[in-house]
Order: sequence, then C-alpha cells, then structure tokens
Amino acid sequence: EVQLVESGGGLVQPRGSLRLSCAVSGFTLSDYYIDWVRQAPGKGLEWVGRSRNKANSYTTEYAASVKGRFTISRDDSKNSLYLQMNSLKTEDTAVYHCVRSYYYDGSVYSDFDYWGQGTLVTVSS
Amino acid sequence: DIQMTQSPSSLSASVGDRVTITCRASQGIRNDLGWFQQKPGKAPKRLIYAASSLQSGVPSRFSASGSGTEFSLTISSLQPEDFATYYCLQHNTYPITFGQGTRLEIK
Repeated sequence: EVQLVESGGGLVQPRGSLRLSCAVSGFTLSDYYIDWVRQAPGKGLEWVGRSRNKANSYTTEYAASVKGRFTISRDDSKNSLYLQMNSLKTEDTAVYHCVRSYYYDGSVYSDFDYWGQGTLVTVSS
Repeated sequence: DIQMTQSPSSLSASVGDRVTITCRASQGIRNDLGWFQQKPGKAPKRLIYAASSLQSGVPSRFSASGSGTEFSLTISSLQPEDFATYYCLQHNTYPITFGQGTRLEIK
C-alpha cells in the first residue's frame, strides 16, 4: 500500500526555521518525483516545490514565494523526503502535503496520485 | 505563470443533479491537467488525470474533457458524498498552478 506521511510541523516564530519530513512506503522513492503542496487555513491549494527522481538527478523546482528560503532534499535509503523551511513568514502558515507527483517508465504513467494527510505549520509570534 | 480560472467558485445543487465545473488556462497546457476532490480536513483525492482519464476506483458519474485551454469536470448525478471542494491543477509549466476551487454545496 502506497503511503506518504508528513511530520515535523508545529509553531514557529517569524524568521525561524523548520524541517518537515515525508516518509514514504509502498513504492520505490527513487523512481518518482515528489512535490510539496500547501493549503493555508480556509484557502486553496498552492504548489510549493518539486524533487525530481534519480533518473533526473534529483533536481528541484520551487514556487517564487518560497524560492531561496525553502529547500527540498531526499534520502532514498531512508524512504524519506524533506522540506527545509528558513526565514519563515506568517504567510507560510499552512498544512503542508507531500504528493507523489510523477512517474513514467515508457508505458506506465502516473501523476499526483497519492497525497499525504499533511502537517500543520503555524508561523506566529 | 499560467493562471487557472475555475468557475463557478461555489455551486449549490441537489442530489441527482448534473453539474459541470470548468477550468480555463491562461495559455495552452495540452492535456496536462488533473481534477481533485477535497473534503474538510482531508487530503485532496485525484479524480481525473491527463484531462479526461478517470482514476481507478472513482465512480463513472465523474467525467472530464478538454485540451489546450478549456477543461471541464462533470458529475452526472450528484450523490451525497460528492459535496466537497473541487480543484483543477495544471502541471504543464512551472510553476504548477491550481484553480481557486469550486465549493459544491447541498441545496
């Protein structure tokens, strides 16, 4: 069974840092792109960033709103992905989801098919 | 950035009704679009991928169509469990962007 489980959320002061984790199971992490998507309280979904798979050298993409402050990394040996968040702002307050976002092996294709339940990050003094 | 304009933003309907939600992309995105359903306190659930392909396990009352800039999601006969918020997502171009959501409420 495919699962993604986020952890590491909590209350942090503005300008502080936090590292979120996404533990995956049921699939080979190195084969997949993984994205982070967030949702501020009562608001819509916002894409945060992406980690490509091993075949694409684990390169990353970020939304403009977090570029230079957030960093996505992964440790395939631990079946885990991370979101390092620095210089946090009140507007970063949201539930953060990790998402299995892309796979294609020439015949099988999938995108955004499994989502974690999310972890809440609250940035407040 | 590609803007995804989703309409309506909210919709009141009754069980058994047929409803359609649309998403318009500010530039062509081929068929790189998905539709998601989200219920309060839950993670989004994929309904549709590649603009018109039904996710396995999703009831056949859900259907979708479109390509390029115009997309739609139709629920042919609303069931009580369908009342939720729906989002479109484009993954053709970075940054990946979502529609603002359509809240489907019981009339």
